[in-house]
Amino acid sequence: DAGVIQSPRHEVTEMGQEVTLRCKPISGHNSLFWYRQTMMRGLELLIYFNNNVPIDDSGMPEDRFSAKMPNASFSTLKIQPSEPRDSAVYFCASSFGTGAGGYTFGSGTRLTVV
Amino acid sequence: SQKIEQNSEALNIQEGKTATLTCNYTNYSPAYLQWYRQDPGRGPVFLLLIRENEKEKRKERLKVTFDTTLKQSLFHITASQPADSATYLCAPSPSYNSPSGNNAGNMLTFGGGTRLMVKP
Repeated sequence: DAGVIQSPRHEVTEMGQEVTLRCKPISGHNSLFWYRQTMMRGLELLIYFNNNVPIDDSGMPEDRFSAKMPNASFSTLKIQPSEPRDSAVYFCASSFGTGAGGYTFGSGTRLTVV
Repeated sequence: SQKIEQNSEALNIQEGKTATLTCNYTNYSPAYLQWYRQDPGRGPVFLLLIRENEKEKRKERLKVTFDTTLKQSLFHITASQPADSATYLCAPSPSYNSPSGNNAGNMLTFGGGTRLMVKP
């Protein structure tokens, strides 16, 4: 298995633009998570899907952020409009069942909003 | 509110020594706790899970303890090597059920991590 695949690897955009981050979880995993990591705040959970259904989005910072999971093999995280304070590394992770076997993280998308 | 504390200062040790990293949590009753390793520019990698009814778990040179009374987990790397240099994250996780009654899995909240530097 190629693991959790995220794209793009790096994204530089101007303030006000729409940004879409993409994630392909591991086949067979039924839970998917979006995290954001910064030096100041560490790794923060944004949203959690189980069986393609959003279970908890309390970590989504503002209405500018939205996430979808149209099927078991694809998820997107969208920021519209983007702001410089959104600059961070965004990770997607997936797990099977209760997650007792651990989460598998993607390599992340480094987002820079100028 | 729930809080996870890991030593934010880097831990510097000599090769061959045992590294011990600490994870303290408050306002949690985790069913289990996980440890991850993160290298620069990469996502965290799962290392070990220890359940609330386990006192200790081992995997090769790694050992994790879990004291639910102290609300603390210790992560040990014995015979440390320069290749062990990385940031180590702990993640206590309570389990819960979705409103539908199905087990909706566990949402991991991570500590800030401790950077370990093993010098040759």
